[in-house]
Amino acid sequence: GIQVEQSPPDLILQEGANSTLRCNFSDSVNNLQWFHQNPWGQLINLFYIPSGTKQNGRLSATTVATERYSLLYISSSQTTDSGVYFCAVEPPAYSNYQLIWGAGTKLIIKP
Amino acid sequence: EAGVAQSPRYKIIEKRQSVAFWCNPISGHATLYWYQQILGQGPKLLIQFQNNGVVDDSQLPKDRFSAERLKGVDSTLKIQPAKLEDSAVYLCASSQRTTNEKLFFGSGTQLSVL
Repeated sequence: GIQVEQSPPDLILQEGANSTLRCNFSDSVNNLQWFHQNPWGQLINLFYIPSGTKQNGRLSATTVATERYSLLYISSSQTTDSGVYFCAVEPPAYSNYQLIWGAGTKLIIKP
Repeated sequence: EAGVAQSPRYKIIEKRQSVAFWCNPISGHATLYWYQQILGQGPKLLIQFQNNGVVDDSQLPKDRFSAERLKGVDSTLKIQPAKLEDSAVYLCASSQRTTNEKLFFGSGTQLSVL
């Protein structure tokens, strides 16, 4: 089945720094979503981005479907950005539509 | 707009006991999901409903887990009897239309089986 790999697995940054998180997938996908899980366990949907680029405040995401990767950019990091970032992909139409999740990138922003 | 509601927030039980979790999705969302998340891992889909029909329950341990979605709205997930390895966070999510459109998650239920 499709493989989803996220990198780096862990990232520690000072407040104010910028970061790039990567999600690679091994086959074509119908869509891709980025999620942030805060330290209290709440999962928040950041982007629904099967292709192209989207921006929401300090966060932006780019998916290059033909090259099978997506990037999440976080600019001017804040301590509230800490948590785990997951990407999840939907396999092609002939499968059972189940989302396949990466293992996540754990981000710690130090004040 | 109200989010996905889940209860209880925490539950501690002994092995072989039973437990039930409740979820109320965002109003109008046709698709409802139950996920299990073990510490340090990504969420694992247990069951997916489209309205009140099951779309996918291939990873649901049916010998001990059951779920229902009455009238296509609220849902309950039950474990009977619980095992130590069931200790995890149980997350409910919903999406507006068919399959995996943008997912919205509840706060989850943290289950500890002693």
